[in-house]
Amino acid sequence: GQSLEQPSEVTAVEGAIVQINCTYQTSGFYGLSWYQQHDGGAPTFLSYNALDGLEETGRFSSFLSRSDSYGYLLLQELQMKDSASYFCAVRDRNQGGKLIFGQGTELSVKP
Amino acid sequence: DGGITQSPKYLFRKEGQNVTLSCEQNLNHDAMYWYRQDPGQGLRLIYYSQIVNDFQKGDIAEGYSVSREKKESFPLTVTSAQKNPTAFYLCASSKGGPSSGNTIYFGEGSWLTVV
Repeated sequence: GQSLEQPSEVTAVEGAIVQINCTYQTSGFYGLSWYQQHDGGAPTFLSYNALDGLEETGRFSSFLSRSDSYGYLLLQELQMKDSASYFCAVRDRNQGGKLIFGQGTELSVKP
Repeated sequence: DGGITQSPKYLFRKEGQNVTLSCEQNLNHDAMYWYRQDPGQGLRLIYYSQIVNDFQKGDIAEGYSVSREKKESFPLTVTSAQKNPTAFYLCASSKGGPSSGNTIYFGEGSWLTVV
C-alpha cells in the first residue's frame, strides 16, 4: 500500500520561516509534489521533486530525500496570505500511476 | 484560456437522487481524476482515467460512476447508493502517465449538499 504523513497543523508569525515535513511509503515512487489550498478553493501546484535535493521557487523551497522517503516544504518570509492548507502528494507507479495525497497541513500565519 | 471547468459550483440533492457533476478540460491532457474532500480533510481519489474509454476505481469508488467518452470530458455521477455524498468534489487533469511527473491541475470544485 501507500501512505503519506504530514503534521495536521502548524502556526508561525509573519516574516518567519516554517518547514512542513512529509514522509511517505509507496511501492513505486516517481516524485513528491506540494500543493497549496486556501479555504473553499482548489489546490494549486507549488513544486515537484523527482530527484534528491532542494528546489527553490521564490519564497518557497522543497526538498526530497528518496533514501529516507522524506521531503519538506520550506516557506520563508511568511505572509498572512500564506495561511492555507499544504498537501504533499506522490504518484505510485505500481497503482496505475494514481496520485496519492497526504491529509494536509493547515498553516496559520499570525501577525 | 486553458483550464478545467467544473459545473455546477453548488448543487443540492435530495436523498435517493442521482446527480452528475461536469468536468471539462481544454489542456489536451490525457489523464483526468475525481477527488472528494470533506471539511478539514485531505483529498481522496474516487476515479481516474489515463486515456479515453478507460478508467479505474480509486480508493472510494463505491456509490459513484464515471465515463470517459471524450478526452476533454470526465463527468462524475453521484448515485443514490452513496450514503454520505455531502462534500467538496474536485476534478483534475494531468499531461499523461507517471513518467510525466506529478503535476496535476485542479478545477474550482463543486459543492454537493444532500437535503
